[in-house]
Amino acid sequence: GAGVSQSPSNKVTEKGKDVELRCDPISGHTALYWYRQSLGQGLEFLIYFQGNSAPDKSGLPSDRFSAERTGGSVSTLTIQRTQQEDSAVYLCASSSGLFSYNEQFFGPGTRLTVL
Amino acid sequence: SQQGEEDPQALSIQEGENATMNCSYKTSINNLQWYRQNSGRGLVHLILIRSNEREKHSGRLRVTLDTSKKSSSLLITASRAADTASYFCATDENSSASKIIFGSGTRLSIRP
Repeated sequence: GAGVSQSPSNKVTEKGKDVELRCDPISGHTALYWYRQSLGQGLEFLIYFQGNSAPDKSGLPSDRFSAERTGGSVSTLTIQRTQQEDSAVYLCASSSGLFSYNEQFFGPGTRLTVL
Repeated sequence: SQQGEEDPQALSIQEGENATMNCSYKTSINNLQWYRQNSGRGLVHLILIRSNEREKHSGRLRVTLDTSKKSSSLLITASRAADTASYFCATDENSSASKIIFGSGTRLSIRP
């Protein structure tokens, strides 16, 4: 594809509901990253994938957060029993390789609002 | 915890002036990158500097890296209105070259 895409672009949900956020990386990119950005803040690392494997899940804020990647392509980030503090923009990025010298290409993000 | 912290948090300068932003980090790194984020284009990669490099140029951008002080600076020369954005440094952790940690960013405003 032309770039990283994310859906939905906006999601408003009620506290306690589950949400699924989707990321479509650039075709052929083996590495995929999820970040969270609160209003006016920097990016908080959540998780990364090399292929379908997630070697480091230490950034996930709680066990309500989970992520998977299938077929080495699309990834979903699931937040169960959402809380108001989960409100943020969730950004996905992909790169051609896992190492830090590879440029990350970011999607437009999903703005999550938990009421 | 944040690996990189930018300074200042906010910067406002006149168009045509130079803008300097600094980033400090905590652990040894392999590489340091600078990204720009604005409402129109989202997050975009600007430049990467490796730990064995001290200075790098790209157009109006100049990045320096001082591994002894664990700090980097981004200089934007001859600023333009379009440079208005937030700028983030991003570092890896030497023990984990795959995990990229972003700083809290510098919000740069260019006055006409």
